[in-house]
Amino acid sequence: KAGVTQTPRYLIKTRGQQVTLSCSPISGHRSVSWYQQTPGQGLQFLFEYFSETQRNKGNFPGRFSGRQFSNSRSEMNVSTLELGDSALYLCASSLDPGGSGYTFGSGTRLTVV
Amino acid sequence: EDQVTQSPEALRLQEGESSSLNCSYTVSGLRGLFWYRQDPGKGPEFLFTLYSAGEEKEKERLKATLTKKESFLHITAPKPEDSATYLCAVLSGGGADGLTFGKGTHLIIQP
Repeated sequence: KAGVTQTPRYLIKTRGQQVTLSCSPISGHRSVSWYQQTPGQGLQFLFEYFSETQRNKGNFPGRFSGRQFSNSRSEMNVSTLELGDSALYLCASSLDPGGSGYTFGSGTRLTVV
Repeated sequence: EDQVTQSPEALRLQEGESSSLNCSYTVSGLRGLFWYRQDPGKGPEFLFTLYSAGEEKEKERLKATLTKKESFLHITAPKPEDSATYLCAVLSGGGADGLTFGKGTHLIIQP
């Protein structure tokens, strides 16, 4: 069975630009979560979507946003990029919010120059 | 606020030399404790979920255990392919803040 698919794998953007990342969950999984991974902070929770609704959000500025579509696919958007936004952005899917296990994608490596 | 501390930060072992990785946690009602393995440039790969103190799970050379304050990942007779960063994460009672991860243990198994 296909895993969690994230596109693109790599991105280079300039400060001030915006970026959209995509995540296709495992078939049948309705919950999608996003995480930011940096060497200094490790993995940090961004937000979680379930049935097209944002269920919760981590401690990130409003420049970070997301959405989920009716087919459970999700996108996250970062506006007005800063150098500190350079990170590996990971998407995880699960059958339902919390507890049943999260499967991660390979991530999108974003570099802001 | 949920907190997860992993130790050691890095560990170098000889092939066949067994050891344990530690994950200490503080949560307001544990819904689940997760262990993941992460290879460079890849996303975390799920290993185990533990739900209550006393629970144990095994997979090949790995065994995870859980108490009320910490979890251990025991690695028995490791092989070079077990080299990776091992991540521990908790999901708290409300599940409102997603998974809280520790910084991980970077494990190197030398042939």
